[in-house]
Amino acid sequence: AQKVTQAQTEISVVEKEDVTLDCVYETRDTTYYLFWYKQPPSGELVFLIRRNSFDEQNEISGRYSWNFQKSTSSFNFTITASQVVDSAVYFCALSYFSNSGYALNFGKGTSLLVTP
Amino acid sequence: GAVVSQHPSRVICKSGTSVKIECRSLDFQATTMFWYRQFPKQSLMLMATSNEGSKATYEQGVEKDKFLINHASLTLSTLTVTSAHPEDSSFYICSAGTGADTQYFGPGTRLTVL
Repeated sequence: AQKVTQAQTEISVVEKEDVTLDCVYETRDTTYYLFWYKQPPSGELVFLIRRNSFDEQNEISGRYSWNFQKSTSSFNFTITASQVVDSAVYFCALSYFSNSGYALNFGKGTSLLVTP
Repeated sequence: GAVVSQHPSRVICKSGTSVKIECRSLDFQATTMFWYRQFPKQSLMLMATSNEGSKATYEQGVEKDKFLINHASLTLSTLTVTSAHPEDSSFYICSAGTGADTQYFGPGTRLTVL
């Protein structure tokens, strides 16, 4: 069965602090894709990253970095030097084949609040 | 990248009325689209898979007679909430993908039923 767990419901940090959002997944598939999305108050999902199961290289994009470890089934997301604009809900998701296409199984999300 | 649009972005209706939400893939063809629902402060949950030219497939617990899905062309899927009630108030998001690694989400439709 597919499952994505984001144990942190809410995180509050002060601007410029580093913060890590955890994501643990379960799947029986040997090939799969993991995603992170940002959802600001407007509701629209903002794509952040996609990682396939065969690529365990960590990735850095500006202040964002991702740590993918198959051994622990984790795909954690770190924001360095957080800013107020980073305040949003962040979702980790796992793709799976549903009926006739690939859908996403989302974690419950982590609400991040960055205060000045 | 590919773009998926949704219309309307926000709708307020009276209890008992029906509401239609459109999801369009603007620059690619999508034989399969997905409809998700998100209640306040909760995650996105898959409601149904919309298949072009055939019946939609609904997730367990989703009433197919209440949430009518039509996928008449390769670029348009519609979700109609029939006889809407306040408990149907939610954020509805559609998506289309071209494979396991590609998902394009619409901007969402916020439905409020009074």
